[in-house]
Formats: sequence, C-alpha cells, structure tokens
Amino acid sequence: GAVVSQHPSRVICKSGTSVKIECRSLDFQATTMFWYRQFPKQSLMLMATSNEGSKATYEQGVEKDKFLINHASLTLSTLTVTSAHPEDSSFYICSARALDRPYPTGTGELFFGEGSRLTVL
Amino acid sequence: AQSVSQHNHHVILSEAASLELGCNYSYGGTVNLFWYVQYPGQHLQLLLKYFSGDPLVKGIKGFEAEFIKSKFSFNLRKPSVQWSDTAEYFCAVTYSGNTGKLIFGQGTTLQVKP
Repeated sequence: GAVVSQHPSRVICKSGTSVKIECRSLDFQATTMFWYRQFPKQSLMLMATSNEGSKATYEQGVEKDKFLINHASLTLSTLTVTSAHPEDSSFYICSARALDRPYPTGTGELFFGEGSRLTVL
Repeated sequence: AQSVSQHNHHVILSEAASLELGCNYSYGGTVNLFWYVQYPGQHLQLLLKYFSGDPLVKGIKGFEAEFIKSKFSFNLRKPSVQWSDTAEYFCAVTYSGNTGKLIFGQGTTLQVKP
C-alpha cells in the first residue's frame, strides 16, 4: 500500500516556541492532505484540509494563525504550531488521498502517517 | 450535522468470542464507509471500506461489515477474535460532495484476553 510518513514522530518544546511537522507521501502524489488531532482516548478530529498550491481549509474552531498549513508540493504538507502552549500538546496525524487509485472521484482511499506526538512544556 | 456514532467505547472479550462493534452515521446523502484500526503504537490502518455494491463487505484479518442503509449503520463483525485484535477501532464516513473529508466516530477500544 501507499506510504505516508510524518516527521518528527515525537517533539518536546518549550511554551512559546513554534514547531513544524512534515507529512510526506512517499510513493504517490497527493493533491489533498488532511490534518487531524487526536486527544488521549478520543477520536480523530479533522483540523484542516490541505490542498496543493492553495490555502488550506480549516474546520470550525481551528485557529488558522495558530496552526499554519503549507502544501507546497504534491508530496509534502507541513503543519506549524505557532507559539505553542501546553494545551496544544496532542497527537497530530496527517493523511493523504491517493488520486491515482481506481476509486470514484472524491472517495479516494486515505493513507495515514504514523502521527506526531507534540508535548509542550 | 454530519456525524458518526460508535456505540461501544470499551469492549472486553475472551479469545474466540465473536465481535460486533456498532456504527451509525447521520443522514447526508450518498456515503462511503470505512473501518480503521489502530494497534498500540502504530498508525491507522484501513480494515475495510464500502463504496457501493454488495452491502456485506469483507476486509483484512477476517473482519467484515454490513451496510444497512435503512438503519444508517455499518457494524463491524468478526466471528472469532484473537489476542492480536486488541486495538482501537474507528468507524468513519465520507459524504458525497465534501471533498473526501473523513468524519470519524469516537472509537472503540477492544481488549481481547488470552
């Protein structure tokens, strides 16, 4: 199957600093990537939809200036948590939609990264 | 609002027991349905998916799910669980027209005792 890789897998930072998380599709092109946040023992909450070459679409309640998303190429999307605070500590997961798979438009299978655990001290 | 609900938050079974995890979604037109599994320390993996056709879908590792349109349900089943099935299970749905955005249920933690 297709591989999506996230880096770093774990990051610890001080409050007030910014952290960048990368999401790469390793063997396929992904015009659309999604960023999720998972709190302990809870489900994945969609934060934003990242489209290559255009601005990300954020879900209601997600601060655009706090969580900067850049999707500069067909294989890379980045999430930057700016001025991180302890409440931003969470597990961030990206997924990429493989458009070269034989599925109907809009329903392409999603592949998930390993996730990045952010701890803000 | 488009949403997915999983009935069981924590299920404990003995090996060889049968499993059924409930999943219901809110009405919103044409849907595509998925079950994902997250083993401890690993990333999400697709168990099975339903797009169209036969409502009984077979996935990997002996799992299957049945799409019942009239009940807005997509329950996951396995006739005989193994200890290695211990994991978190997520039901998810995409609605037509929402650009493939996956909406997840709350998740069900399955613990299989050897």
